[in-house]
Amino acid sequence: AQTVTQSQPEMSVQEAETVTLSCTYDTSESDYYLFWYKQPPSRQMILVIRQEAYKQQNATENRFSVNFQKAAKSFSLKISDSQLGDAAMYFCAYRSALAGTASKLTFGTGTRLQVTL
Amino acid sequence: DTEVTQTPKHLVMGMTNKKSLKCEQHMGHRAMYWYKQKAKKPPELMFVYSYEKLSINESVPSRFSPECPNSSLLNLHLHALQPEDSALYLCASSRGGRGGTDTQYFGPGTRLTVL
Repeated sequence: AQTVTQSQPEMSVQEAETVTLSCTYDTSESDYYLFWYKQPPSRQMILVIRQEAYKQQNATENRFSVNFQKAAKSFSLKISDSQLGDAAMYFCAYRSALAGTASKLTFGTGTRLQVTL
Repeated sequence: DTEVTQTPKHLVMGMTNKKSLKCEQHMGHRAMYWYKQKAKKPPELMFVYSYEKLSINESVPSRFSPECPNSSLLNLHLHALQPEDSALYLCASSRGGRGGTDTQYFGPGTRLTVL
């Protein structure tokens, strides 16, 4: 079974600064997908970014980028130019590529990000 | 458009009540999911419907009964719940497929309180 670990329960960053959230995972599979979701106080889970394991290039979405290290099974999220609206719980998630037509996400325990002025 | 809607936003019910949660998407997705999320915890998968058929049931108690009337709608029928069932219930949908395009998009959730 796959596991996802987020070792930072809470992080804090000043507005306009950069912060990196850590995520490691354990799997015996070679093909899979990784995601970062954001859950603000409004509760809705919002997709931030996704990475295909077969792609060596790190995914980027505007101020959000990942550092995907497949051999180390590491998938960190970097938020640049942090904004107050980035304050949320961030979940790292894993999905097997071997799954069928509808597949299970395995979530980490989350990192709560605070953004200060 | 990546919108999944859920109604109601809040629900308070007694242990003897019967209620239903509703989820709707119009993205043409063929997979829909129910998750349960307790405070400060990640979502836990309950059920998955793929092409209107139940494909994953994570051994959820029978007091939770899912229903997928069509590819756009997903219901969760609640009966004889316990106070420990109080949680945020999230619905999600995805295209349904093996590729990375099978990304799950979540609704805003229903906050359920069982008295």
